[in-house]
Amino acid sequence: DGGITQSPKYLFRKEGQNVTLSCEQNLNHDAMYWYRQDPGQGLRLIYYSQIVNDFQKGDIAEGYSVSREKKESFPLTVTSAQKNPTAFYLCASSKGLAGGKNIQYFGAGTRLSVL
Amino acid sequence: AQSVTQLDSQVPVFEEAPVELRCNYSSSVSVYLFWYVQYPNQGLQLLLKYLSGSTLVESINGFEAEFNKSQTSFHLRKPSVHISDTAEYFCAVTFTDKLIFGTGTRLQVFP
Repeated sequence: DGGITQSPKYLFRKEGQNVTLSCEQNLNHDAMYWYRQDPGQGLRLIYYSQIVNDFQKGDIAEGYSVSREKKESFPLTVTSAQKNPTAFYLCASSKGLAGGKNIQYFGAGTRLSVL
Repeated sequence: AQSVTQLDSQVPVFEEAPVELRCNYSSSVSVYLFWYVQYPNQGLQLLLKYLSGSTLVESINGFEAEFNKSQTSFHLRKPSVHISDTAEYFCAVTFTDKLIFGTGTRLQVFP
């Protein structure tokens, strides 16, 4: 079945540690996104990518990094510089970049907690 | 600044009662509008969308939303809710090159 796969479902980070969240899609979508979800705050955009080897900062990129080496994959690294990483992280993809009629489809999310 | 407002953070309702979840946005340009639903510990699923054409759009599970350009609103309604409709609902609006989400409304359906 076509879709977006995020792994792991739950992740724990120690102080000073970098952790990487995986996002893979087999929808042949060009654009991919990472959002952070906190209770009562909706979804906030961390990074997005319209094409392989290119990505742009979203509204809350500080403390995060991404790569887009393959069309299917858009991993997110939460670095030690992110002082409040506990949140639910959602990956999404769309056929084209948001701004037109392109619908975003979401993975099931990764819940990150700090030990 | 462009924004999406969902005034009600929680909406409690009894089963089989009607419900309306409100969504307003601020924009002077054409937009595209979406409602997403999120069940506990899951990702977001598209519920319905307005891209063009009829201002009243419907989902397969009985929800409907009406795009009102003059009031810049896209309220979600269902005439009779079911226990299984308990979830968080997000309104989202496309502005130029971004999709902006409201803060969500938690619909709690009681038996």
